[in-house]
Amino acid sequence: QKEVEQNSGPLSVPEGAIASLNCTYSDRGSQSFFWYRQYSGKSPELIMFIYSNGDKEDGRFTAQLNKASQYVSLLIRDSQPSDSATYLCAVQSGGSYIPTFGRGTSLIVHP
Amino acid sequence: GAGVSQSPSNKVTEKGKDVELRCDPISGHTALYWYRQSLGQGLEFLIYFQGNSAPDKSGLPSDRFSAERTGGSVSTLTIQRTQQEDSAVYLCASRSDRNTEAFFGQGTRLTVV
Repeated sequence: QKEVEQNSGPLSVPEGAIASLNCTYSDRGSQSFFWYRQYSGKSPELIMFIYSNGDKEDGRFTAQLNKASQYVSLLIRDSQPSDSATYLCAVQSGGSYIPTFGRGTSLIVHP
Repeated sequence: GAGVSQSPSNKVTEKGKDVELRCDPISGHTALYWYRQSLGQGLEFLIYFQGNSAPDKSGLPSDRFSAERTGGSVSTLTIQRTQQEDSAVYLCASRSDRNTEAFFGQGTRLTVV
């Protein structure tokens, strides 16, 4: 059973701070990793993907992947109240076409 | 189209009735997924299409659930004899052959009363 684990939160950070969201996965054969943002009552929106160990930066977002430790994280710099949402981690194994999702971490950015 | 389109946005049905949910993927996307999200829960995989075939339907919860895809484009998810536990948001996503990233539609909120 492939598992993707996330702390449900809520993670509360002040505006302007760095929010750090973490995700661990069980399948060592995982090769593709995605972060989706889901606002309340809306569908998931892809914000980042990463395939290689290390960091990948896109604007205020940085995805970090460590395959040896089987975790992937998302850093949000200069957090804004509009970043308040649930962040879903998804993992896809090599040879599989099905992303497995974690339950998500709720992020609250307070002014 | 510009994005994944699902219809209807909301559906209220009586227990025991059949419902059909529709998904129109991004043009040219060959892969299509159906997921289900119950209130406060994660995304539960239902079925995956590559073209018109469904190589993985392992997530369908019972034989009351079926899905088809025609012309490599539009997909319909059919739930027969709906039950209250079928109430959820049904999400469709599509992906191109060249990439692994999947993009979601806005979902259909199904309420069985």
